[in-house]
Amino acid sequence: SAVISQKPSRDICQRGTSLTIQCQVDSQVTMMFWYRQQPGQSLTLIATANQGSEATYESGFVIDKFPISRPNLTFSTLTVSNMSPEDSSIYLCSVELAGDYEQYFGPGTRLTVT
Amino acid sequence: GQQVMQIPQYQHVQEGEDFTTYCNSSTTLSNIQWYKQRPGGHPVFLIQLVKSGEVKKQKRLTFQFGEAKKNSSLHITATQTTDVGTYFCAGLDVGGNNRKLIWGLGTSLAVNP
Repeated sequence: SAVISQKPSRDICQRGTSLTIQCQVDSQVTMMFWYRQQPGQSLTLIATANQGSEATYESGFVIDKFPISRPNLTFSTLTVSNMSPEDSSIYLCSVELAGDYEQYFGPGTRLTVT
Repeated sequence: GQQVMQIPQYQHVQEGEDFTTYCNSSTTLSNIQWYKQRPGGHPVFLIQLVKSGEVKKQKRLTFQFGEAKKNSSLHITATQTTDVGTYFCAGLDVGGNNRKLIWGLGTSLAVNP
């Protein structure tokens, strides 16, 4: 398994501002994922972030709104730009360990936009 | 695109009763994974099924993968209050540039002590 930390754990932000969420893993991983989860709902994949290549975004998510960095094999950031109340959600990063397809999740970042 | 349906959406049981959640995919899956998310927590990996007809057990939990690799089930025998949470199935999609998980909507389990 892997130990994954996220910062911040929660934040309350004003509309129009941006927030950068950090994800740190205790081991080197190739594939990292960013998800959004509304309370009581399933997970929605935002993008896949592989080191050394640009992130791959899912339908409905664009780089201008959710820029992602992946500078090395243990770290990634997701920025939520120009926020609106509709961006209020829990944002989760996850990793896939080499040789396995299962994913391990960080504790999540609870974002509230007012 | 690939979809994974999961039922029921909610299940409320008395402690000691059994519980089952079912997953159905519109296409054949490379594998299927099950996760548990406790209230206020993050999804935690439980198990991965790869082979057609595969059955795996973890204590009171039994996981099955259908012969056609399009459906799966999770059965909990004699539920306990510690089983409370939402159980998600997720099918592995290996098409496209990156592999990714296609998530079911989850089954939320409540257990009355």
